[in-house]
Amino acid sequence: GQNIDQPTEMTATEGAIVQINCTYQTSGFNGLFWYQQHAGEAPTFLSYNVLDGLEEKGRFSSFLSRSKGYSYLLLKELQMKDSASYLCAVRDRPGTDKLIFGTGTRLQVFP
Amino acid sequence: DAGVIQSPRHEVTEMGQEVTLRCKPISGHDYLFWYRQTMMRGLELLIYFNNNVPIDDSGMPEDRFSAKMPNASFSTLKIQPSEPRDSAVYFCASNEYGGRRQETQYFGPGTRLLVL
Repeated sequence: GQNIDQPTEMTATEGAIVQINCTYQTSGFNGLFWYQQHAGEAPTFLSYNVLDGLEEKGRFSSFLSRSKGYSYLLLKELQMKDSASYLCAVRDRPGTDKLIFGTGTRLQVFP
Repeated sequence: DAGVIQSPRHEVTEMGQEVTLRCKPISGHDYLFWYRQTMMRGLELLIYFNNNVPIDDSGMPEDRFSAKMPNASFSTLKIQPSEPRDSAVYFCASNEYGGRRQETQYFGPGTRLLVL
C-alpha cells in the first residue's frame, strides 16, 4: 500500500534549527512536496524534490534520498511564525498530479 | 489573481441533509482537486478533474459523495445524505500542468463542515 510517515509533533526554540523527517513507501515515485499549514488555514507550498540531494530556499531546505524513501525539511533560525503543521506529500507516478499526503508534523516554536 | 475560492467557509447541518460545497479554481488552471482533511486521516484526495473531466475518483468514500465540474470555472462536491463522520475540512485545489511539471497545487481556504 501507500504509506507516508512523519512525527506527529515537535517543539523547538526561537532561533534554533529543527529537522522534520518523512519516510515514504509508495508504489512509485515522481516527486516529493513539503507544505506548510497554519492552524485554520490552507496548505501552502514550501519545496519540491525529485532528484536526490538538498534544495535550499532561504531559511528552509529540503533533502531527498530516493533509495531510502526518505526526506527531511530543515528549518533554520526559527521564528514564532514558523509554528504550523508541515505536510509531506508524494506524487506516486508521472502523468498524474495525485498527491499522497502524510498526516503532518505539528511544530511549536517557543520563545 | 484571487486564488482558489470556496464557499461556504463554514457549514453546520443535521444528519441526513444534503450538503453542497462549491469551488472556483484559479483562472487558466486545467486541474481541480477535492480533498478532505481530518485529524485522524490527514489530507486525503477525494477526486480530481482535468479539463472538467473526472480523472480519478478512487478516493470518494461512497455513493453518498458526488462531484461535478460543469465548466472550467466551477465545481461542486455534494454529500447526500450527510452523516456525522463526514465532518471535516474540505479543500479545493487547482494547478495548471498537473503531473507534467513540478508545479504545486494551490489550495483554497477550505470549507469547515460539521454534521450534527
